Amino acid sequence: AQSVTQLDSQVPVFEEAPVELRCNYSSSVSVYLFWYVQYPNQGLQLLLKYLSGSTLVKGINGFEAEFNKSQTSFHLRKPSVHISDTAEYFCAVTKTNTGNQFYFGTGTSLTVIP
Amino acid sequence: ETGVTQTPRHLVMGMTNKKSLKCEQHLGHNAMYWYKQSAKKPLELMFVYSLEERVENNSVPSRFSPECPNSSHLFLHLHTLQPEDSALYLCASSQSNGPGLNTEAFFGQGTRLTVV
Repeated sequence: AQSVTQLDSQVPVFEEAPVELRCNYSSSVSVYLFWYVQYPNQGLQLLLKYLSGSTLVKGINGFEAEFNKSQTSFHLRKPSVHISDTAEYFCAVTKTNTGNQFYFGTGTSLTVIP
Repeated sequence: ETGVTQTPRHLVMGMTNKKSLKCEQHLGHNAMYWYKQSAKKPLELMFVYSLEERVENNSVPSRFSPECPNSSHLFLHLHTLQPEDSALYLCASSQSNGPGLNTEAFFGQGTRLTVV
């Protein structure tokens, strides 16, 4: 079975500071990895995804994530956050051989402080 | 326009009511999902319709009943719900072309359900 762990439930950070949101996964098979963002009263929007190739993935809004197979991690980073980045962030995985079931972490609430 | 449209956006229903949530995707995908999002809990996968197969989470109570008449439409029929069923219900779709050929899930904006 697949599982996703987001260790930090809440991350406060000052505006223009860097941020890292952590994600670790466990799986007995190879997986695809995703980060989603959710603004209040909205659905989830894809930030970025890792399917194959380069382990450093760049996404929208200046975010990037690095896949580390040995540490089974897929941490999300941004060098300088803005107020508008305040939202809930979800890490997710799906198996590469089927891909029709997505497993999500519990989410990290990012609050950017002016 | 997200490509996945859910109606209604908000729903308040009594425990004896019957209602349905509707989801429509305009992306040409062949897989659709219902997720339940409760505070402080991971997104819970309730049902998957993929390539005309149905996969369900065995922990979902029978008072939730999905229907997928075609690859573009998905319903969630609700009856005799409990207050703990109050949550945000999210619909999603994706394209599944076989092993190694899958896309990410695209989500609707959700239906905020309150059971009173």
